[in-house]
Amino acid sequence: DTGVSQNPRHKITKRGQNVTFRCDPISEHNRLYWYRQTLGQGPEFLTYFQNEAQLEKSRLLSDRFSAERPKGSFSTLEIQRTEQGDSAMYLCASSLWSATNEKLFFGSGTQLSVL
Amino acid sequence: TQLLEQSPQFLSIQEGENLTVYCNSSSVFSSLQWYRQEPGEGPVLLVTVVTGGEVKKLKRLTFQFGDARKDSSLHITAAQPGDTGLYLCAGAGNAGGTSYGKLTFGQGTILTVHP
Repeated sequence: DTGVSQNPRHKITKRGQNVTFRCDPISEHNRLYWYRQTLGQGPEFLTYFQNEAQLEKSRLLSDRFSAERPKGSFSTLEIQRTEQGDSAMYLCASSLWSATNEKLFFGSGTQLSVL
Repeated sequence: TQLLEQSPQFLSIQEGENLTVYCNSSSVFSSLQWYRQEPGEGPVLLVTVVTGGEVKKLKRLTFQFGDARKDSSLHITAAQPGDTGLYLCAGAGNAGGTSYGKLTFGQGTILTVHP
């Protein structure tokens, strides 16, 4: 098991373009989370899935953001019409959820720069 | 909205010194986690504390959860250059078996240990 994998590691785009990031979780994990981290801050929760169902979205997630996990395995996060304020590290994490415990394993993130 | 305040934001010390990082909130959390993050990587879980007053030790690191489950501290004894990194506390708010992975992070403490 190679852990949580995120691609690409870095993305530079021009304002107004669409971008898509991919996350491959640890294979047996049923939950997948997306977080966003800006410089000098801790990560902020964006959304999470249990299997293929998206259970919660943060109010931080504008209509330009959409996430999917079509087969309950990998997930994609798409940002449409990017803005400079979208520049951040986008982190994916996965877990094997139980009623009493949940340990998150984070990927290395996708660093987005919007010019 | 649950907030976690970490202090100090920056800490620069010499090898062999002791240090304490604090994490405070006005909200009660069902559990509190501490992570360490290196540049260009995702956070890595160090410990989870669940019970008020709980103390956990991980080699030279001691973690404490406040009695009221609103605050926590991380104490490092005899710091080494390898301890350098960003230390994040994160609170899980849902105690009803929904998601311990939806975390509220503090802004982090950047620790630099000089040889």
